[in-house]
Amino acid sequence: SQLAEENSWALSVHEGESVTVNCSYKTSITALQWYRQKSGKGPAQLILIRSNEREKRNGRLRATLDTSSQSSSLSITATRCEDTAVYFCATEGTGANTGKLTFGHGTILRVHP
Amino acid sequence: AQTIHQWPVAEIKAVGSPLSLGCTIKGKSSPNLYWYWQATGGTLQQLFYSITVGQVESVVQLNLSASRPKDDQFILSTEKLLLSHSGFYLCAWSLDLQDTQYFGPGTRLLVL
Repeated sequence: SQLAEENSWALSVHEGESVTVNCSYKTSITALQWYRQKSGKGPAQLILIRSNEREKRNGRLRATLDTSSQSSSLSITATRCEDTAVYFCATEGTGANTGKLTFGHGTILRVHP
Repeated sequence: AQTIHQWPVAEIKAVGSPLSLGCTIKGKSSPNLYWYWQATGGTLQQLFYSITVGQVESVVQLNLSASRPKDDQFILSTEKLLLSHSGFYLCAWSLDLQDTQYFGPGTRLLVL
């Protein structure tokens, strides 16, 4: 079955530091998305990286995708307190799984002043 | 600009009672619509998606049903709530199935 999974449950950094959240998945995908969810809110997409892309950037965010190892990473540079949130990777399936977005368990990131 | 609205914001219901949650999208015609459920501190689980009016695909069965009575409206319901239905319900929309999903503010449900 298709499964997306972040490798860490929680990370803690100080403002200004860089941090990387990793994600692994099973089976083939058409794209992988990174979402951020702040407490009590719905998730907001940060980056969508398609299976034929290796890297994508969005401001301080950089996502990579390695389809051979079925893994992805999201790096945040110059972190700020407002980056504190839960970060999810989510995979889009192919074939019978088209239309299904599977989320990982999420990584809690805390950025301390 | 597109806006997504969910109602109610929060609900406390008794086990065995019925439930109806709503979602509307303004500013976008023929969106793909989705329902998700999130247990407290848990991940998001996709429940249903709909490509067009009157058509709903079930992804996970949790004794819930969904309907799309209008192009801009998606309804999640059940006739009998279970304790396990407690959680955060999120509606989302996208342009295509394999595209960015935009989430609503969510409805928090507590079943007692």
